[in-house]
Amino acid sequence: GAGVSQSPSNKVTEKGKDVELRCDPISGHTALYWYRQSLGQGLEFLIYFQGNSAPDKSGLPSDRFSAERTGGSVSTLTIQRTQQEDSAVYLCASSLRLNADTEAFFGQGTRLTVV
Amino acid sequence: GDSVTQMEGPVTLSEEAFLTINCTYTATGYPSLFWYVQYPGEGLQLLLKATKADDKGSNKGFEATYRKETTSFHLEKGSVQVSDSAVYFCALRNTGGFKTIFGAGTRLFVKA
Repeated sequence: GAGVSQSPSNKVTEKGKDVELRCDPISGHTALYWYRQSLGQGLEFLIYFQGNSAPDKSGLPSDRFSAERTGGSVSTLTIQRTQQEDSAVYLCASSLRLNADTEAFFGQGTRLTVV
Repeated sequence: GDSVTQMEGPVTLSEEAFLTINCTYTATGYPSLFWYVQYPGEGLQLLLKATKADDKGSNKGFEATYRKETTSFHLEKGSVQVSDSAVYFCALRNTGGFKTIFGAGTRLFVKA
Protein backbone atom coordinates (compact mmCIF):
# COMPACT_ATOMS: atom_id res chain seq x y z
CA GLY A 1 0.00 0.00 0.00
CA ALA A 2 0.92 3.65 -0.07
CA GLY A 3 1.78 3.81 3.59
CA VAL A 4 1.81 1.85 6.82
CA SER A 5 -1.75 1.10 7.86
CA GLN A 6 -2.80 0.32 11.41
CA SER A 7 -6.13 -0.83 12.73
CA PRO A 8 -8.11 -0.06 14.68
CA SER A 9 -7.24 3.62 15.03
CA ASN A 10 -8.85 3.69 18.44
CA LYS A 11 -9.65 0.90 20.86
CA VAL A 12 -11.30 1.11 24.25
CA THR A 13 -11.27 -2.10 26.23
CA GLU A 14 -12.08 -3.24 29.71
CA LYS A 15 -9.30 -4.21 32.07
CA GLY A 16 -8.59 -7.91 31.82
CA LYS A 17 -9.68 -8.30 28.19
CA ASP A 18 -7.37 -9.30 25.36
CA VAL A 19 -6.76 -6.98 22.40
CA GLU A 20 -5.21 -7.41 18.97
CA LEU A 21 -3.60 -4.56 17.10
CA ARG A 22 -2.92 -4.91 13.41
CA CYS A 23 -0.21 -3.43 11.22
CA ASP A 24 -0.05 -3.59 7.44
CA PRO A 25 3.40 -2.40 6.32
CA ILE A 26 4.44 -0.84 3.06
CA SER A 27 4.57 -3.48 0.37
CA GLY A 28 8.06 -4.90 -0.06
CA HIS A 29 9.37 -3.69 3.28
CA THR A 30 11.17 -6.54 4.98
CA ALA A 31 11.58 -4.95 8.39
CA LEU A 32 8.72 -4.10 10.72
CA TYR A 33 8.79 -2.46 14.15
CA TRP A 34 6.39 -1.88 17.03
CA TYR A 35 6.71 1.08 19.39
CA ARG A 36 4.63 2.36 22.26
CA GLN A 37 4.09 6.05 22.97
CA SER A 38 2.60 6.79 26.36
CA LEU A 39 1.09 10.18 27.20
CA GLY A 40 3.87 12.74 27.49
CA GLN A 41 6.54 10.11 26.93
CA GLY A 42 8.90 9.33 24.11
CA LEU A 43 8.76 6.26 21.95
CA GLU A 44 9.45 2.94 23.64
CA PHE A 45 10.72 0.23 21.32
CA LEU A 46 8.88 -3.07 21.71
CA ILE A 47 9.92 -5.53 19.01
CA TYR A 48 11.11 -5.82 15.42
CA PHE A 49 10.67 -8.35 12.65
CA GLN A 50 13.01 -9.23 9.84
CA GLY A 51 10.72 -11.11 7.52
CA ASN A 52 8.60 -13.26 9.81
CA SER A 53 11.28 -13.64 12.44
CA ALA A 54 11.52 -11.64 15.68
CA PRO A 55 15.04 -12.34 16.96
CA ASP A 56 14.80 -10.19 20.07
CA LYS A 57 11.67 -10.01 22.20
CA SER A 58 13.30 -8.42 25.22
CA GLY A 59 11.65 -5.05 24.56
CA LEU A 60 8.18 -6.40 25.21
CA PRO A 61 7.01 -5.00 28.59
CA SER A 62 5.71 -8.29 29.97
CA ASP A 63 4.73 -11.81 28.98
CA ARG A 64 1.20 -10.52 28.37
CA PHE A 65 2.55 -8.98 25.16
CA SER A 66 3.20 -11.02 22.05
CA ALA A 67 3.59 -10.29 18.36
CA GLU A 68 3.67 -12.22 15.16
CA ARG A 69 4.12 -11.55 11.50
CA THR A 70 2.93 -13.76 8.70
CA GLY A 71 3.85 -13.90 5.02
CA GLY A 72 6.45 -11.21 5.56
CA SER A 73 3.64 -8.72 5.63
CA VAL A 74 0.90 -8.13 8.21
CA SER A 75 1.83 -8.11 11.87
CA THR A 76 -0.36 -8.45 14.94
CA LEU A 77 0.50 -7.22 18.43
CA THR A 78 -1.55 -9.00 21.07
CA ILE A 79 -1.96 -7.85 24.64
CA GLN A 80 -3.55 -10.36 26.99
CA ARG A 81 -5.34 -9.47 30.22
CA THR A 82 -4.95 -5.75 29.58
CA GLN A 83 -4.07 -3.42 32.44
CA GLN A 84 -4.61 0.32 32.74
CA GLU A 85 -0.89 0.95 32.35
CA ASP A 86 -1.13 -0.56 28.87
CA SER A 87 -3.05 2.54 27.75
CA ALA A 88 -0.91 4.23 25.10
CA VAL A 89 -0.58 4.81 21.38
CA TYR A 90 0.93 1.78 19.69
CA LEU A 91 2.91 2.68 16.60
CA CYS A 92 4.01 0.39 13.83
CA ALA A 93 6.74 1.22 11.35
CA SER A 94 8.34 -0.52 8.42
CA SER A 95 11.53 -0.07 6.44
CA LEU A 96 12.87 -1.52 3.23
CA ARG A 97 15.80 -3.10 5.04
CA LEU A 98 17.37 -3.19 8.47
CA ASN A 99 20.29 -1.02 7.34
CA ALA A 100 21.11 1.99 9.50
CA ASP A 101 20.59 4.49 6.68
CA THR A 102 17.15 3.20 5.80
CA GLU A 103 14.37 5.33 7.16
CA ALA A 104 11.41 3.87 8.98
CA PHE A 105 7.91 4.88 7.86
CA PHE A 106 5.32 5.08 10.60
CA GLY A 107 1.64 4.35 10.68
CA GLN A 108 -0.90 6.61 12.38
CA GLY A 109 -0.97 4.41 15.43
CA THR A 110 -3.63 2.68 17.48
CA ARG A 111 -4.76 4.56 20.55
CA LEU A 112 -5.51 1.97 23.22
CA THR A 113 -7.48 2.95 26.30
CA VAL A 114 -7.97 0.42 29.06
CA VAL A 115 -10.80 1.30 31.42
CA GLY B 1 23.75 1.52 25.05
CA ASP B 2 22.87 3.99 22.36
CA SER B 3 20.78 6.98 23.38
CA VAL B 4 19.47 10.34 22.21
CA THR B 5 19.02 13.43 24.36
CA GLN B 6 17.10 16.45 23.16
CA MET B 7 16.13 19.70 24.78
CA GLU B 8 13.01 19.69 26.85
CA GLY B 9 10.03 21.63 25.70
CA PRO B 10 7.76 23.16 25.19
CA VAL B 11 9.43 25.76 23.04
CA THR B 12 7.25 28.77 22.29
CA LEU B 13 8.22 31.17 19.50
CA SER B 14 6.63 33.94 17.55
CA GLU B 15 6.16 33.55 13.82
CA GLU B 16 9.33 34.29 11.81
CA ALA B 17 11.60 33.65 14.80
CA PHE B 18 14.73 31.50 14.52
CA LEU B 19 14.43 27.95 15.82
CA THR B 20 17.06 25.69 17.33
CA ILE B 21 16.23 22.37 18.96
CA ASN B 22 19.32 20.76 20.43
CA CYS B 23 19.99 17.06 20.05
CA THR B 24 23.00 15.05 21.19
CA TYR B 25 23.57 11.35 20.95
CA THR B 26 25.63 8.55 22.44
CA ALA B 27 26.42 5.68 20.14
CA THR B 28 29.17 3.28 19.20
CA GLY B 29 30.06 3.04 15.56
CA TYR B 30 28.62 5.29 12.88
CA PRO B 31 24.92 5.85 13.32
CA SER B 32 22.53 7.52 10.91
CA LEU B 33 20.66 10.45 12.41
CA PHE B 34 17.09 11.55 11.83
CA TRP B 35 14.57 14.18 12.78
CA TYR B 36 10.94 13.10 12.82
CA VAL B 37 7.95 15.42 13.24
CA GLN B 38 4.52 14.66 14.64
CA TYR B 39 1.87 17.24 13.77
CA PRO B 40 -1.24 17.41 15.98
CA GLY B 41 -3.45 14.41 15.38
CA GLU B 42 -1.08 12.85 12.86
CA GLY B 43 1.53 10.11 12.78
CA LEU B 44 5.29 10.43 12.81
CA GLN B 45 6.85 11.68 9.60
CA LEU B 46 10.49 11.76 8.63
CA LEU B 47 11.60 15.40 8.38
CA LEU B 48 15.26 14.95 7.42
CA LYS B 49 18.21 12.64 7.84
CA ALA B 50 21.99 12.47 7.63
CA THR B 51 23.90 9.24 7.25
CA LYS B 52 27.50 10.27 7.85
CA ALA B 53 29.60 12.89 9.60
CA ASP B 54 29.37 16.45 8.21
CA ASP B 55 26.30 15.59 6.14
CA LYS B 56 23.55 18.20 6.26
CA GLY B 57 19.95 17.08 6.05
CA SER B 58 17.38 19.62 4.94
CA ASN B 59 13.67 19.75 4.21
CA LYS B 60 10.88 22.37 4.37
CA GLY B 61 13.38 25.03 5.49
CA PHE B 62 14.68 22.89 8.35
CA GLU B 63 18.33 21.89 8.50
CA ALA B 64 20.52 19.73 10.72
CA THR B 65 24.23 18.93 10.41
CA TYR B 66 25.74 15.67 11.63
CA ARG B 67 28.59 16.72 13.93
CA LYS B 68 30.60 13.73 15.03
CA GLU B 69 33.09 15.78 17.06
CA THR B 70 30.30 17.10 19.28
CA THR B 71 27.95 14.11 18.79
CA SER B 72 25.19 16.52 17.90
CA PHE B 73 22.44 16.91 15.31
CA HIS B 74 20.74 20.18 16.18
CA LEU B 75 17.62 21.15 14.23
CA GLU B 76 17.40 24.71 12.91
CA LYS B 77 15.00 26.82 10.89
CA GLY B 78 15.52 30.45 10.04
CA SER B 79 11.90 31.59 10.15
CA VAL B 80 9.20 29.44 11.75
CA GLN B 81 5.54 29.48 10.81
CA VAL B 82 2.44 28.68 12.81
CA SER B 83 2.12 25.51 10.75
CA ASP B 84 5.45 24.27 12.18
CA SER B 85 3.80 23.74 15.56
CA ALA B 86 4.38 20.06 16.30
CA VAL B 87 6.46 17.65 18.34
CA TYR B 88 9.95 17.05 16.97
CA PHE B 89 11.87 13.84 17.68
CA CYS B 90 15.58 13.35 17.18
CA ALA B 91 16.54 9.75 16.47
CA LEU B 92 19.39 7.47 15.50
CA ARG B 93 19.88 4.08 13.88
CA ASN B 94 23.21 2.41 14.38
CA THR B 95 25.21 0.22 12.06
CA GLY B 96 23.57 -3.18 12.05
CA GLY B 97 20.86 -1.65 14.22
CA PHE B 98 17.43 -3.09 14.14
CA LYS B 99 15.65 -0.22 15.75
CA THR B 100 15.40 3.53 15.66
CA ILE B 101 16.18 5.07 19.05
CA PHE B 102 14.24 8.24 19.77
CA GLY B 103 14.72 11.20 22.02
CA ALA B 104 11.86 12.23 24.28
CA GLY B 105 10.53 14.78 21.78
CA THR B 106 10.32 18.57 21.91
CA ARG B 107 6.99 20.29 21.53
CA LEU B 108 7.10 23.51 19.52
CA PHE B 109 4.38 26.15 19.67
CA VAL B 110 4.52 28.98 17.14
CA LYS B 111 2.33 32.03 17.83
CA ALA B 112 1.01 34.27 15.09
